[in-house]
Amino acid sequence: DADVTQTPRNRITKTGKRIMLECSQTKGHDRMYWYRQDPGLGLRLIYYSFDVKDINKGEISDGYSVSRQAQAKFSLSLESAIPNQTALYFCATSEGGGAGPQHFGDGTRLSIL
Amino acid sequence: GQNIDQPTEMTATEGAIVQINCTYQTSGFNGLFWYQQHAGEAPTFLSYNVLDGLEEKGRFSSFLSRSKGYSYLLLKELQMKDSASYLCAVRDSSGYALNFGKGTSLLVTP
Repeated sequence: DADVTQTPRNRITKTGKRIMLECSQTKGHDRMYWYRQDPGLGLRLIYYSFDVKDINKGEISDGYSVSRQAQAKFSLSLESAIPNQTALYFCATSEGGGAGPQHFGDGTRLSIL
Repeated sequence: GQNIDQPTEMTATEGAIVQINCTYQTSGFNGLFWYQQHAGEAPTFLSYNVLDGLEEKGRFSSFLSRSKGYSYLLLKELQMKDSASYLCAVRDSSGYALNFGKGTSLLVTP
């Protein structure tokens, strides 16, 4: 089983819909992150969380919100999806203290029509 | 802020050696990471440098010069399965997240 699990793996939806992407981990890591990846732009940080009570905005947080329901769960929401949010979304985790690498989930491919 | 540059594409021959360069300009530095990403898949961790010098791990090595803002990833004895995108990422002095370059797409040919 994957250590970092993202659901759904693929989603097609319409403009204006509310969407939630979920991430769960069995690595016991304190830190969790959400990135989006677009062709030619690389990975960009949306939100990150150091523990259940800590939520921080990343480089491109506008239009997104997150919830850290438990140490193992970190969800990303698009309240009213728009076409330029079409992208590949990755969740990642790392140990507390941040010294080690980040470990990525398999990604969610989101298409907004 | 961070500015991380790496070549967009490279091509190399099976069995050969290839070097992928990464230059960075950062507000503080707290480590440099290399990731491999096959198309449509998750990035997977390859190497980490925080001090100057060479880190070797099997066929893969990574070098860092902090004074020059420069790193490279060296892949030896190339195999077809090494065709992938290679991502350079820098962690700044805040220590909380990685800033990624746009990636280098490597094609290994027979």
